[in-house]
Amino acid sequence: DVKVTQSSRYLVKRTGEKVFLECVQDMDHENMFWYRQDPGLGLRLIYFSYDVKMKEKGDIPEGYSVSREKKERFSLILESASTNQTSMYLCAGRTGTDTDTQYFGPGTRLTVL
Amino acid sequence: KQEVTQIPAALSVPEGENLVLNCSFTDSAIYNLQWFRQDPGKGLTSLLLIQSSQREQTSGRLNASLDKSSGRSTLYIAASQPGDSATYLCAVSGTGNQFYFGTGTSLTVIP
Repeated sequence: DVKVTQSSRYLVKRTGEKVFLECVQDMDHENMFWYRQDPGLGLRLIYFSYDVKMKEKGDIPEGYSVSREKKERFSLILESASTNQTSMYLCAGRTGTDTDTQYFGPGTRLTVL
Repeated sequence: KQEVTQIPAALSVPEGENLVLNCSFTDSAIYNLQWFRQDPGKGLTSLLLIQSSQREQTSGRLNASLDKSSGRSTLYIAASQPGDSATYLCAVSGTGNQFYFGTGTSLTVIP
């Protein structure tokens, strides 16, 4: 059965903290994605990766970085968390085929105080 | 840049009714279109995937159609049930591994 897992369902951090959100997939997917979801704005792509150690900026990369040292793991890093980064963060995986579906994790609700 | 719009933003129907959700996109150069379901506070579950060369896909009580030239897709739900209550999102994929999402339609099916 397809599975994408995220390290935390809920997370509360303070302004200025460094935050790591972890995503692991067991489907041998080449492509992995990080989105944030906000009311009225929908899902917006932060970063994606099409291979180990490869990354591409999405639409809203400012304030974020990513790491992909192994194929199954894709980490989103908030170098210095700010209140405007309070959001739902969703990770997804997909094979390298353009016609394939995306599989999503359960999401991490991050609150920055 | 691709823009995806979903109308209506919210919909409430009595149980048993057939309904249609709409999705429109501005750039017809897409690889595929997906419909997802999202329950409150949860991730997205893929419902149907339509390739750019296809016109429709069916799964159980769900039928999705795609008219690429006009930039439109519809999701038809037959004989709605309270368990269908959720937010439904459409997403289109184009070049460069980018996926673009609509803001969703929140569906409530009243018993």
